[in-house]
Amino acid sequence: DAGVTQSPTHLIKTRGQQVTLRCSPKSGHDTVSWYQQALGQGPQFIFQYYEEEERQRGNFPDRFSGHQFPNYSSELNVNALLLGDSALYLCASSLEAGRSGGTDTQYFGPGTRLTVL
Amino acid sequence: GNSVTQMEGPVTLSEEAFLTINCTYTATGYPSLFWYVQYPGEGLQLLLKATKADDKGSNKGFEATYRKETTSFHLEKGSVQVSDSAVYFCALSVYGNNRLAFGKGNQVVVIP
Repeated sequence: DAGVTQSPTHLIKTRGQQVTLRCSPKSGHDTVSWYQQALGQGPQFIFQYYEEEERQRGNFPDRFSGHQFPNYSSELNVNALLLGDSALYLCASSLEAGRSGGTDTQYFGPGTRLTVL
Repeated sequence: GNSVTQMEGPVTLSEEAFLTINCTYTATGYPSLFWYVQYPGEGLQLLLKATKADDKGSNKGFEATYRKETTSFHLEKGSVQVSDSAVYFCALSVYGNNRLAFGKGNQVVVIP
């Protein structure tokens, strides 16, 4: 049973560029959440996708956008990159809260390390 | 809002010592509580969880008890190994909402 996978593993970009990160959820999961983890900090919630729609959003600017595909995989896009966007980006998958009885454990991928120069 | 507070600073201890990492929370709803572990260069792995008051989560010798009266979920292990060296994160999600709120994490270093 494949777990959550993410690509690429590492990425280096320059300020002002755009980046797309990809995530495939654990088999059987239908909800994908994205988190940003700055160095030495805990992960911060960016947004969550279910049924190809953004269901929840954290305190991140509109430069951060996403998409979910019919096979439940997801992309995170960041436009106009800033130095402060350098972080580990984590994808997590779960069952939708309603289907899982109110809350469900999230399983994380290995992350994509983004460096903005 | 929902938030998690972990004790400040790294934890350094000798092999076979007792480990405690404190975690307290505030939540607007009824939270489920989690401990995740992150090994160097890796993503997060679920270590244990508890979904209601007085539940005890346990895994790989680690334990944590959901204490609603003190809003706490402290992590303990009776005898640590070098392989337990990692960063440990306490987290919560509120019923009906799979969004996780994390603490800042604690670096644990176990010395042989």
